[in-house]
Amino acid sequence: NAGVTQTPKFRVLKTGQSMTLLCAQDMNHEYMYWYRQDPGMGLRLIHYSVGEGTTAKGEVPDGYNVSRLKKQNFLLGLESAAPSQTSVYFCASSYPGQGVLYYEQYFGPGTRLTVT
Amino acid sequence: GQQVMQIPQYQHVQEGEDFTTYCNSSTTLSNIQWYKQRPGGHPVFLIQLVKSGEVKKQKRLTFQFGEAKKNSSLHITATQTTDVGTYFCAGDKAGTASKLTFGTGTRLQVTL
Repeated sequence: NAGVTQTPKFRVLKTGQSMTLLCAQDMNHEYMYWYRQDPGMGLRLIHYSVGEGTTAKGEVPDGYNVSRLKKQNFLLGLESAAPSQTSVYFCASSYPGQGVLYYEQYFGPGTRLTVT
Repeated sequence: GQQVMQIPQYQHVQEGEDFTTYCNSSTTLSNIQWYKQRPGGHPVFLIQLVKSGEVKKQKRLTFQFGEAKKNSSLHITATQTTDVGTYFCAGDKAGTASKLTFGTGTRLQVTL
């Protein structure tokens, strides 16, 4: 049981390049999230998904796109990277169990992205 | 939008001293969660508080949810070097499908 995994772990991009970050979970979780973490800013929600085939915008969605074609995978895309997107990106998942109103999030190890 | 602030941003203590971090939300929360992130690591869930005025303990850690459900605190008694890391609170506004708003975090440094 690997939990939440993210690839790649590190990446350096030039301004204008594109890339896709992959998040995978093997816990059969319904909800998945993408966050970015910057010094002094905490974790900010980029996009999230409440089920296969659905996505929604979070707090800072501009410059990013997502897809959830399979329940276990959540992809984050940067179409044209900018230096302001230099950050650590975390994926998380959670499970709304039956009769449970509130549920914790399980985080992946993170992807450190630098855009030059 | 909803904002969740934490104070202090950083605290440095000697091992054995107590530590408290405070979390304040601009809106009423349905529940609040606490996470710990070790240096270079990822956030790990610690606990969840749901009821107004709720207090929960985990060994040396005491968590409290305010009566108005807009603030929370984490108190660590007799800190140890293993407590080093950043502590985040995260609030869930009712009806937001478990969409958490994370606080800015408090970084704790413990030295011998």
